[in-house]
Amino acid sequence: QQQVKQSPQSLIVQKGGISIINCAYENTAFDYFPWYQQFPGKGPALLIAIRPDVSEKKEGRFTISFNKSAKQFSLHIMDSQPGDSATYFCAAKAGNNRLAFGKGNQVVVIP
Amino acid sequence: DVKVTQSSRYLVKRTGEKVFLECVQDMDHENMFWYRQDPGLGLRLIYFSYDVKMKEKGDIPEGYSVSREKKERFSLILESASTNQTSMYLCASSQTGTGYNEQFFGPGTRLTVL
Repeated sequence: QQQVKQSPQSLIVQKGGISIINCAYENTAFDYFPWYQQFPGKGPALLIAIRPDVSEKKEGRFTISFNKSAKQFSLHIMDSQPGDSATYFCAAKAGNNRLAFGKGNQVVVIP
Repeated sequence: DVKVTQSSRYLVKRTGEKVFLECVQDMDHENMFWYRQDPGLGLRLIYFSYDVKMKEKGDIPEGYSVSREKKERFSLILESASTNQTSMYLCASSQTGTGYNEQFFGPGTRLTVL
């Protein structure tokens, strides 16, 4: 059973636009919610992460919005650039060091 | 910088062969993980280890085994490779402790079983 559900599966955005990827989870024991970015031929790398005691975290053009009551969190990429074209995974962690990953979202930013 | 290396980037094996995938990390991390990545299925955990000689099954352990004889090295073993094990295999490591959550990934091994 998928513990973290990610949507949409793919996204095409114009350069300068906003990319939004959503994730939903069920397990209320999750206490850490990261987003990973993966470029072709590379392993995923941590992009940004949030804990459930805050509703938003921003790092540069990347923002996580977190809605604890709805058990949802989303990644916003502002002013999307062609270099942001990648696969993005949301994930969630409970206390045992394991991450439950979403299925991934391929973002393509067209010039 | 943390570095996670995997022994091969590409590997082609025949059905029934025994396959070893090696992973080494250089940051003294306690936890190590093996995932497989397939289109539309995301990252699925095969096995993980939180200490030397310790291992736990992930979500899809069938057909795989692991070995962790040294802290820095975690091996994934396909006892008898099958075509449905053709996939991208990713190794990761992380540190144990409050506040230490990031998993660091290797570049992956693309395994093709013919």
